[in-house]
Amino acid sequence: DTAVSQTPKYLVTQMGNDKSIKCEQNLGHDTMYWYKQDSKKFLKIMFSYNNKELIINETVPNRFSPKSPDKAHLNLHINSLELGDSAVYFCASSLSGTMAEQYFGPGTRLTVT
Amino acid sequence: SQQGEEDPQALSIQEGENATMNCSYKTSINNLQWYRQNSGRGLVHLILIRSNEREKHSGRLRVTLDTSKKSSSLLITASRAADTASYFCATGNAGNNRKLIWGLGTSLAVNP
Repeated sequence: DTAVSQTPKYLVTQMGNDKSIKCEQNLGHDTMYWYKQDSKKFLKIMFSYNNKELIINETVPNRFSPKSPDKAHLNLHINSLELGDSAVYFCASSLSGTMAEQYFGPGTRLTVT
Repeated sequence: SQQGEEDPQALSIQEGENATMNCSYKTSINNLQWYRQNSGRGLVHLILIRSNEREKHSGRLRVTLDTSKKSSSLLITASRAADTASYFCATGNAGNNRKLIWGLGTSLAVNP
């Protein structure tokens, strides 16, 4: 059984397009995250939701808009894609608080041409 | 901001040898976690050590925490080729209960 799943796994698109990445977890967790990992493997938190409420919103361009329709789902919509958005995007989930281990999805490799 | 710093950035060893990676951080923490990332995959949680603990074991993994030096080490004993991966530390801050602060990772290559 897949714990944290993301779709699509690969996404190749042109500059200026709008795209979405979807994430689902079946672990019963109440907190979900979006991370961006660049080519140097630097992992940066972008957003976090707890029980559908946005609790972390790092300095991210407002072209990025997360949406959590329920506790088990967290989607990421990106408008007007730019070359610099190329990266691997990871969804993760956990129970509340930083004492809890995070479970990561397989990642979505976004390439903007 | 990222406060965890792992060293070395890259480590190459032979199978059977031990691998030691270090992580330093800057602010007070309530826990420190180690994760592994295989190439092209998501991160996998390895071990969590609380700020009041000094050492923790899990199989071939041994983690130590020195809060006075604000540092932790991850020791992998009797390494295997399958241990080849990047290893990240992440800290939970006592004053910020909402997010982990991630290090830059150590890339470990275990040669058969």
